[in-house]
Amino acid sequence: DTAVSQTPKYLVTQMGNDKSIKCEQNLGHDTMYWYKQDSKKFLKIMFSYNNKELIINETVPNRFSPKSPDKAHLNLHINSLELGDSAVYFCASSQERSGRGELFFGEGSRLTVL
Amino acid sequence: GNSVTQMEGPVTLSEEAFLTINCTYTATGYPSLFWYVQYPGEGLQLLLKATKADDKGSNKGFEATYRKETTSFHLEKGSVQVSDSAVYFCALSPTGANSKLTFGKGITLSVRP
Repeated sequence: DTAVSQTPKYLVTQMGNDKSIKCEQNLGHDTMYWYKQDSKKFLKIMFSYNNKELIINETVPNRFSPKSPDKAHLNLHINSLELGDSAVYFCASSQERSGRGELFFGEGSRLTVL
Repeated sequence: GNSVTQMEGPVTLSEEAFLTINCTYTATGYPSLFWYVQYPGEGLQLLLKATKADDKGSNKGFEATYRKETTSFHLEKGSVQVSDSAVYFCALSPTGANSKLTFGKGITLSVRP
């Protein structure tokens, strides 16, 4: 069974569209994250939720809206997509909210905006 | 603020060569330090970690020692294999309840047969 699963794995869309990426973890963890990895492999945290509560909200455009319906799911909705949103988006989870524990990553969702 | 600096890449080595990937950090207090590895087409996975000064993390033949005096956490392996080809990320997590993991830029390692 996949521990952290993301869908879709690939997403190609036009500028201005709205899209969502879904993430689910079956590890029983309380904390989930969204990271963005650019073309140079640089990783930047976007959001973190602990038991459905937003605990980290980095400086990202408000076109990005995370939603956590329960502690096993963290979805990412993006409005009015722009060319610069093209990247690989990784979902991750951890047992600890402190950031000192191991993070378990999904395989990533590659978003291409044309 | 907190930051992690990794040596510039990419790095290309022959199989069985010795590997060192440098990592230095800036942080207040006593952060935890990590190395994550990303194999092609996959997400990151934890390779090893150290939570206090002089701790040595090790896994799959890789080692790194937490050096507070030099604020470093260099990754080493005595004999690399083709299967070690991947992107390696150094990361730190400071103390604090809601602290976040800060990653370095990552370095691509290619090992040729």
